[in-house]
Amino acid sequence: EILLTQSPGTLSLSPGERATLSCRASQSVSSSYLAWYQQKPGQAPRLLIYGASSRATGVPDRFRGSGSGTDFTLTISRLEPEDFAVYYCQQYRSSAPWTFGQGTKVEIK
Amino acid sequence: QVTLRESGPALVKPTQTLTLTCTFSGFSLSNSQMCVSWIRQPPGKALQWLALIDWDDDKYYSTSLKTRLAISKDTSRNQVVLTMTNMDPVDTATYYCARTGGSSGCHTGGNYYFDSWGQGTLVTVSS
Repeated sequence: EILLTQSPGTLSLSPGERATLSCRASQSVSSSYLAWYQQKPGQAPRLLIYGASSRATGVPDRFRGSGSGTDFTLTISRLEPEDFAVYYCQQYRSSAPWTFGQGTKVEIK
Repeated sequence: QVTLRESGPALVKPTQTLTLTCTFSGFSLSNSQMCVSWIRQPPGKALQWLALIDWDDDKYYSTSLKTRLAISKDTSRNQVVLTMTNMDPVDTATYYCARTGGSSGCHTGGNYYFDSWGQGTLVTVSS
């Protein structure tokens, strides 16, 4: 089972600043099978990025996913008020089980 | 428009069996490559994938929970059912169902990501 470690646990930033979130896998995630989700309090997660760098439908272009192998990054270029949330990465290599990271909380500084 | 909705008991007692139903619309599990998963989230904690069923009735389970889980589908009703036996207080969580793999389906290119989610249902395990 692939373990995903997200860092930092909490990111304190101001609107307009750049956010850089990290997700590291315990073994290579082949073919960049890595997704990112955003979750706001009391809501279900929302798919942001799949295939490490492809934005899901309706996701603003300030969200950018990158990386390969074991190291992946979600970058939010300029934080909007609605971007303060918890973000999870998920790996989905060809065989189950598929796993999530423990999450990074982006909070208002 | 894809929608999913979870239903089931809000409270179960320890050792009981939990049965949750996911009712969906906007896609069909009779279509090739379509898949639905169950995922849970204990209060204040991370997401945990539990099980997946595909259009061909193939089933996949979490390694740590597979002896307690069963997933099934009723294609005519657009429903997926998850049962979890021997419930324990540590199983207290919000349970989500989610379409897996988008409109192309999960097995197409191995797309086991969760593109549409239900709102979730909180299940508390307590005597």
